[in-house]
This record gives sequence, C-alpha cells and structure tokens, in this order.
Amino acid sequence: DAGVIQSPRHEVTEMGQEVTLRCKPISGHDYLFWYRQTMMRGLELLIYFNNNVPIDDSGMPEDRFSAKMPNASFSTLKIQPSEPRDSAVYFCASRLAGENEQFFGPGTRLTVL
Amino acid sequence: LAKTTQPISMDSYEGQEVNITCSHNNIATNDYITWYQQFPSQGPRFIIQGYKTKVTNEVASLFIPADRKSSTLSLPRVSLSDTAVYYCLRNAGNNRKLIWGLGTSLAVNP
Repeated sequence: DAGVIQSPRHEVTEMGQEVTLRCKPISGHDYLFWYRQTMMRGLELLIYFNNNVPIDDSGMPEDRFSAKMPNASFSTLKIQPSEPRDSAVYFCASRLAGENEQFFGPGTRLTVL
Repeated sequence: LAKTTQPISMDSYEGQEVNITCSHNNIATNDYITWYQQFPSQGPRFIIQGYKTKVTNEVASLFIPADRKSSTLSLPRVSLSDTAVYYCLRNAGNNRKLIWGLGTSLAVNP
C-alpha cells in the first residue's frame, strides 16, 4: 500500500484565495483525520470522519474552514478565504476501526502571503 | 481535557539509553498512552502504546506505573537516526479526543 497520500505537498497562495487540500486514506481504513501543525500550537486535530461521516469538527478554527469526504477514498480540506495565519503544515491520517494506530500522510505545507 | 506534559528537549549520545517521561495527571480510566515519533518534513509515526505496567516492542519500551499519572518511553541504545520529536498523547479507546502536546525534541550526538 502507498500509505496516506496528500496533495499538493506545498502550496503558496495569496491572502483571500481559496485553498483546497486533498487526502487519500489507506484503503480499507474507516477513520480519517485532518490535523494542523504549527511551531506555536503543535499538532491540532481539526476534524475527523468515520465511514465518510464527520464525527467531530470542534477543532475547526472558524467558518472559513470546511472539510468533506464524498467517498471512502477521498477527502478535502478547504480554506476560503485564506489568511496568513493559516500558514502551517496540514496532515491527514487514517486508521482502522478498532485500532488506535493512526497512519499519517506526508503533509501539505501551506504558506499564505 | 488537560494536555500531557513532557520536556521540550533532550540531548543524548549514540549508544545510550534514553528515557522520556510524560506527565498526564488527569488521565481518564479509558485513556491509553501512545507515543509517536516525527522526523522533519514527515508525518508522525506510531511507536508504542500501553495502558499500564510495561509494554515492549522491537523499537522501544513503555513503562506506566500503577497510578497511570505518568509514563516513560525508553529507547535502548539510540543512534543518530533516532534524532526526532517524540510525542506523548492520551487517547480514549475510540480516539474521540487525541491530546497532543508539543513533543520532546531529542538530539542524538555522535
């Protein structure tokens, strides 16, 4: 298996633009997680899905952030409009039901100018 | 939920045993303790998990005392490639809330 796949790996955009981050979880995994990592705040859980259904989005910072999972093999995290303070590394992770180990993707480094 | 508390950084030398202790005073009955490792420009990677007493796998050991208010990750005979950030986190059995701290940056020197 190729592991969790994220795209793009790097994204540079200007303030006000829409940003869409993509994730393909490991095939067969039931749970998908979106995280944000910064030096100041460390790793923060933004939202997670179980069987494509959002379960907990309490970590989503504000309405500018939205996430979808239209099917078991694809999820998106969208920021609209983006702001400089959104600059961070965004990770996607997935796991099997009944297991605690999460498998992380390589991350997307987002820079908002 | 309270975050876990662990040292910000540690230094060691090749071949030494490294012990990183994490404090989780408010741990709940159903919480497990999990440790992840993260290298620069990569996502975190699972190392080990435990509930109480001692757990050992091919890369590390995890010691959790009876009161479960702390845990210690033990890395035997570290090498330069063990230089990374190590995260201690609590997770409920269903992963509803993963409490990530800021991690411990371990530097292994030659």
